[in-house]
Amino acid sequence: SQTIHQWPATLVQPVGSPLSLECTVEGTSNPNLYWYRQAAGRGLQLLFYSVGIGQISSEVPQNLSASRPQDRQFILSSKKLLLSDSGFYLCAWSVLDREDTEAFFGQGTRLTVV
Amino acid sequence: KNQVEQSPQSLIILEGKNCTLQCNYTVSPFSNLRWYKQDTGRGPVSLTIMTFSENTKSNGRYTATLDADTKQSSLHITASQLSDSASYICVVSMNTGFQKLVFGTGTRLLVSP
Repeated sequence: SQTIHQWPATLVQPVGSPLSLECTVEGTSNPNLYWYRQAAGRGLQLLFYSVGIGQISSEVPQNLSASRPQDRQFILSSKKLLLSDSGFYLCAWSVLDREDTEAFFGQGTRLTVV
Repeated sequence: KNQVEQSPQSLIILEGKNCTLQCNYTVSPFSNLRWYKQDTGRGPVSLTIMTFSENTKSNGRYTATLDADTKQSSLHITASQLSDSASYICVVSMNTGFQKLVFGTGTRLLVSP
């Protein structure tokens, strides 16, 4: 069966420090991978998506970047965190782009920038 | 603008009662509509997914409806349980060459004993 792992679960980082969140998927190959952010009281916002190794598309301009060094690994990074980067970050994956394709989410990372 | 709006924002019901959550969307091109349940501090978990041609789908005590003409959906929860306390998120998928999901802000449901 397919599983998605996301870590760490919680993170407190000072302003200006770097960030690296990792997401890995097991049990499937060539998944579409996504990074979402959920600010307090707001819906999930798509940050990045990837349809293959080294292929990253950004949905919104921001202080963050993403990389996909391996087929089932997706990394969210920042060189210098801002207070506004605080939020709940979710990694997700899906396979194929049929209209009924399911999207599966990781457990999320609660990032607090202080 | 592609948006998904949900109502009510929050809801408190007694255990054993039924409730209905609403979702209106203005997303195009429409691919499918999903309802997710999100426990606090956890990732969303899918409850139902409906394509354009489906107007109702059930998953246990959860029944979702879709009216593609009026662009409205509802999620009905029957005989609520304490474990139903969570945020319920309506998500519409756009068929743009990849799965672009547009999320509602969710309805926070509290089932009280």
